[in-house]
Amino acid sequence: GQQLNQSPQSMFIQEGEDVSMNCTSSSIFNTWLWYKQDPGEGPVLLIALYKAGELTSNGRLTAQFGITRKDSFLNISASIPSDVGIYFCAVSKQGGSEKLVFGKGTKLTVNP
Amino acid sequence: NAGVMQNPRHLVRRRGQEARLRCSPMKGHSHVYWYRQLPEEGLKFMVYLQKENIIDESGMPKERFSAEFPKEGPSILRIQQVVRGDSAAYFCASSPKEGYGYTFGSGTRLTVV
Repeated sequence: GQQLNQSPQSMFIQEGEDVSMNCTSSSIFNTWLWYKQDPGEGPVLLIALYKAGELTSNGRLTAQFGITRKDSFLNISASIPSDVGIYFCAVSKQGGSEKLVFGKGTKLTVNP
Repeated sequence: NAGVMQNPRHLVRRRGQEARLRCSPMKGHSHVYWYRQLPEEGLKFMVYLQKENIIDESGMPKERFSAEFPKEGPSILRIQQVVRGDSAAYFCASSPKEGYGYTFGSGTRLTVV
């Protein structure tokens, strides 16, 4: 089946540091999504990317859709304690309205 | 504006019993999706439904699992004769129509003992 390789698996950083995580695939996808999941909750959409090469920001978050349509990265600048959680990339072939394939997640820990 | 409501939040079943998980989509949303998440894993797609129709069930196990989204009432994911391997978090999501992203509920955590 389709697989996403998400890295790193976990990160331990100090408050104020910048964070970068990425996701790669062997297949082409037309939509890349980044979600955050807090413990005991469902994933919440952070950023959606629909065009190859697109760079999109949402506050301290920036994500890019790779030009080959096979990868994406998410950056978090000036991390704060509430950034703690698991970050997932997800892809779909269309606009994100049908089934999504998720990566295994990057677990972020921020030390105050 | 209530989000996607799932209940129960936690469900404990003995092996061999049935589990029924409910999902009420956001108001105005007619598309529902079910995903399963094992510990330390990402979410895995199970089934996509519209009102009274199953659109894509390619992620559903062939036996014991079924899903419905009736004209009235919530969507139901039903697992018959549960086994320990069914223990997981089950998430529902809804969207207003094709081409839009969707919103997840808080999940039902099923534990089979």
